[in-house]
Amino acid sequence: QKEVEQDPGPLSVPEGAIVSLNCTYSNSAFQYFMWYRQYSRKGPELLMYTYSSGNKEDGRFTAQVDKSSKYISLFIRDSQPSDSATYLCAMSGSGGYQKVTFGTGTKLQVIP
Amino acid sequence: SAVISQKPSRDICQRGTSLTIQCQVDSQVTMMFWYRQQPGQSLTLIATANQGSEATYESGFVIDKFPISRPNLTFSTLTVSNMSPEDSSIYLCSVDGGTNEKLFFGSGTQLSVL
Repeated sequence: QKEVEQDPGPLSVPEGAIVSLNCTYSNSAFQYFMWYRQYSRKGPELLMYTYSSGNKEDGRFTAQVDKSSKYISLFIRDSQPSDSATYLCAMSGSGGYQKVTFGTGTKLQVIP
Repeated sequence: SAVISQKPSRDICQRGTSLTIQCQVDSQVTMMFWYRQQPGQSLTLIATANQGSEATYESGFVIDKFPISRPNLTFSTLTVSNMSPEDSSIYLCSVDGGTNEKLFFGSGTQLSVL
């Protein structure tokens, strides 16, 4: 079993839709939970990160962490064609340097 | 944030040859990371490069195959040696933004081995 599981998609939605991207994990030591966005032929860029459980909102993006279920989500409201990219979840432990473990990524296409 | 320049952006190489990938950062950083991204697979850490010390390799990666240099706090190279088609992948350079949960990545090197 992989430490982090992520549905690869692809996920295709109409412009303006609410998008839900999810990851599950097995390592209870994970404390930091990140979402990266990767456009085609570009490196990943950090979109959001949260520490431990709870929600975090940034504009149209909301990250949720449920540690009891080992489940994290990224919601995108009013999705735009510019949101079309691959979204990678990532996780790490806390305390000094901790290796970051990535999901396989979900490819999202927002259709105008 | 950090701006990372990585080159080449892509290359097509023959089996048995080697390719060196360069990574230049616009600020001094302690740790630099090299990742591999294969289709349908998660980003996989190859090694961590600290200036002035030997790189630390992850399980499944060895120095003879992926030698790394880190001559100063803004530059690193990764060499993919004695390449085979299985080495075809995207290779990414990364640095942390002060805390390891904030990673910054270069644009990657798309490597195809024939």
